[in-house]
Amino acid sequence: AQSVTQPDIHITVSEGASLELRCNYSYGATPYLFWYVQSPGQGLQLLLKYFSGDTLVQGIKGFEAEFKRSQSSFNLRKPSVHWSDAAEYFCAVGLFKLSFGAGTTVTVRA
Amino acid sequence: NAGVTQTPKFQVLKTGQSMTLQCAQDMNHNSMYWYRQDPGMGLRLIYYSASEGTTDKGEVPNGYNVSRLNKREFSLRLESAAPSQTSVYFCASRLYMDMNTEAFFGQGTRLTVV
Repeated sequence: AQSVTQPDIHITVSEGASLELRCNYSYGATPYLFWYVQSPGQGLQLLLKYFSGDTLVQGIKGFEAEFKRSQSSFNLRKPSVHWSDAAEYFCAVGLFKLSFGAGTTVTVRA
Repeated sequence: NAGVTQTPKFQVLKTGQSMTLQCAQDMNHNSMYWYRQDPGMGLRLIYYSASEGTTDKGEVPNGYNVSRLNKREFSLRLESAAPSQTSVYFCASRLYMDMNTEAFFGQGTRLTVV
């Protein structure tokens, strides 16, 4: 069965500092991986996706993620966080049906 | 661009009442989904429709029914609402289920059952 674990429920980061959100997945074949962001009261917006090829994926808003098959991980990173990055972030895996992690809430302090 | 539109945005129900959540997409997508989002649990799949005319159960289908009315519309019905169904419900669509396509989400319906 496919599943996603996001070990960090909440992360606080200073504006301008780097951010890394962890994601570990379980999937029987080549995984299709996604990161979504949800601002308060909003739906989910796709940040980036990985299907195959280069294991370092670039997304919108300056985010990138690295696929590491040996570690079953797909961690999301941003070099310098902006106050507008405060949101909840979800990692997801799947082809036919997407399975989501529980999410990581990011707070940005001035 | 409307994308995926859900109605209503907010709803309060009494236990035992019924209601239908509506979802429509204008992207000519084939596959549609209903998820519920609860604190600390992420999004869980309730039902999905791979294509017009088909529906299947997801992880948490009990207490819900769905109808794929046409290619654009996919509704979720609660026949007898229970407090455990208090949640935020999201509809999503994808071009196809079996290809590497992303899912687009609606803005959500916040449902409270009292």
